[in-house]
This record gives sequence, C-alpha cells and structure tokens, in this order.
Amino acid sequence: QSVLTQPPSASGTPGQRVTISCSGSSSNIGSNTVNWYRHLPGTAPKLLFNSNNQRPSGVPDRFSGSKSGTSASLAISGLQSEDEADYYCAAWDDSLSGQVFGTGTKVTVL
Amino acid sequence: EVQLVESGGGLVQPGGSLRLSCAASGFTFSRYAMNWVRQAPGKGPEWVSEISGNGVKTYYADSVKGRFIISRDNSKNTLYLHMNSLRAEDTAIFYCAKDDGSYGFDFWGQGTLVTVSS
Repeated sequence: QSVLTQPPSASGTPGQRVTISCSGSSSNIGSNTVNWYRHLPGTAPKLLFNSNNQRPSGVPDRFSGSKSGTSASLAISGLQSEDEADYYCAAWDDSLSGQVFGTGTKVTVL
Repeated sequence: EVQLVESGGGLVQPGGSLRLSCAASGFTFSRYAMNWVRQAPGKGPEWVSEISGNGVKTYYADSVKGRFIISRDNSKNTLYLHMNSLRAEDTAIFYCAKDDGSYGFDFWGQGTLVTVSS
C-alpha cells in the first residue's frame, strides 16, 4: 500500500494543461525531494526531472513540478498525444528509511 | 553512455532462491548509490532496496526485509540482489536503477523477469 496518493486518472485535449497531484506526509514529501516518472508499458520508468528541476535529455520543458508542504504537483502544459502514459511521484520516506512511489496517474489525451 | 544490464531472472518455485545481477558502464560506478525497483504485472513500481556507493549502507522495503540482500562489487561495476524465500507475490520485473545523488533514479536497466510459481 503506497503512502503517496495520486488521482487514478487525468485527461485533457491536445494543447491543454493537465495537473497531477501527489499527497504525502511530513516524513516523505514534507522533508525530501519529490521525483516524477513517466512509465509506458513494456519499458522502464523514466525520470522527468531531477532534484534541481533539470530535465534529462529528451524531456521537454512542457513538464514542470512544484511542492508545497506535504503535497506535490506535476504539470504538463501543451498536452500532446505522446504524453499518454502513467505518471508516478516518488520520494524518500524518513520513517520507513526507504523510497516510496505514488499510486500512479494514467494520463489520457482526448 | 550509461548502460545498466540486468540478468539472472527466471522461473523459481516458492521458497526458492535467485540472484540478480546488474552490470553497469558509462559512469563512475562507485560514486553512486544503486537501487532495485520491481514492477508486478498490472501494478506500479515498488522500490525494493538501495545500497550506498561504497556498499556500507543498505536499505530495504519492509516487504523484502530479511529475505533479500543487496550487494555490489565496485571492482566489477556490478550490482547484485540475492533473493531468498521467494513468494508468489515477488513475481515482477526487477529493474536496477542508478541514483542521481538526490534519490532520483536517472538511469534504469531494461529489467529482468522473476516468476515465482510451482
């Protein structure tokens, strides 16, 4: 059972902005960096940006992240069909002494 | 170019053991913590274990604590996961992942499938 909660789905039309939330607690999001991953079936998850909000090569600047207290958000602006995927947040949890992933959000482009 | 190549997966009976390996190249292996992450069929990713760059510190998910052991050989640029007392619920694709220094996993292997079934 994940300790980071995400909405199961999100959707938008091409060009729209979609936001995905990730709710945690003081022991994980509240005190550590939140990372976001995109996952396509049959492939390994891909880090969208690192702790300095730097994007690995190939990740467009349409993706951005923010954090406030014990919650975080991923925003996808200018939604494109290739953005259809599952998105997961993750953070180190000081109480568990381990990394925790979110429940995942499936993004659909209508 | 960073490359991570897992091996060692396969079919094993409940209660059995398996050792996974992850051969790393393209970066200074000993400088980075390494992780194992698994993904069961139809489920999201689940972090399994982490080991520090020098191998001194190890961390485990509660679901595998006492059954799995993570280790590394920096002279061979290889990460290992020794899995004992395997259960059906351990069936998953196991990925090794490089830590970017801030608990972000910036490079992943292609994964190796572990199936626990009689």
